[in-house]
Amino acid sequence: IAGITQAPTSQILAAGRRMTLRCTQDMRHNAMYWYRQDLGLGLRLIHYSNTAGTTGKGEVPDGYSVSRANTDDFPLTLASAVPSQTSVYFCASKGQGIDSPLHFGNGTRLTVT
Amino acid sequence: GESVGLHLPTLSVQEGDNSIINCAYSNSASDYFIWYKQESGKGPQFIIDIRSNMDKRQGQRVTVLLNKTVKHLSLQIAATQPGDSAVYFCAENEANAGKSTFGDGTTLTVKP
Repeated sequence: IAGITQAPTSQILAAGRRMTLRCTQDMRHNAMYWYRQDLGLGLRLIHYSNTAGTTGKGEVPDGYSVSRANTDDFPLTLASAVPSQTSVYFCASKGQGIDSPLHFGNGTRLTVT
Repeated sequence: GESVGLHLPTLSVQEGDNSIINCAYSNSASDYFIWYKQESGKGPQFIIDIRSNMDKRQGQRVTVLLNKTVKHLSLQIAATQPGDSAVYFCAENEANAGKSTFGDGTTLTVKP
């Protein structure tokens, strides 16, 4: 089934450890996004990429980095995890055109202890 | 600052009734609006969208209304079913920006 695949589904991580959340899409979408979802705060944009080779900062980029080596993959890295990064992380992609909705993966639930 | 928000955090309806979920936005430059449904343990799923040059758009059992004068968006669900129970988010896109800003979400509970 075409769509967004995220891995892992969930993870418990010790503070200070490095972690990469994986995201792969098979829809050949140019634009990809990482959001975090926290109770009462909705979805907040961390980083985005409009096309392979380019990335940009969203609303809450601090503590996170991304890369976009190719169209399909958009990994999110936490260099040194902190408890405030405990959240559910969603990767999304968007088809051509401004008027195009987001396609989301099923998320990675991350707990930083 | 600019924000997208929902009037009510929770809504409880009886099965078979119609549901109306509201959303206020403040960015007058927004020209594309989307409603998403998020079920427990899953990512948000696209329901319906509307451009700013329209004031109403209908889908299967869902209708989105846009009032640009008061910057208000609503999602109407006809004959609400238990499977409609979820969190509903509105999102807005500013012209040429490409990125979506989300509201906080309304939890819809359908009672049998």
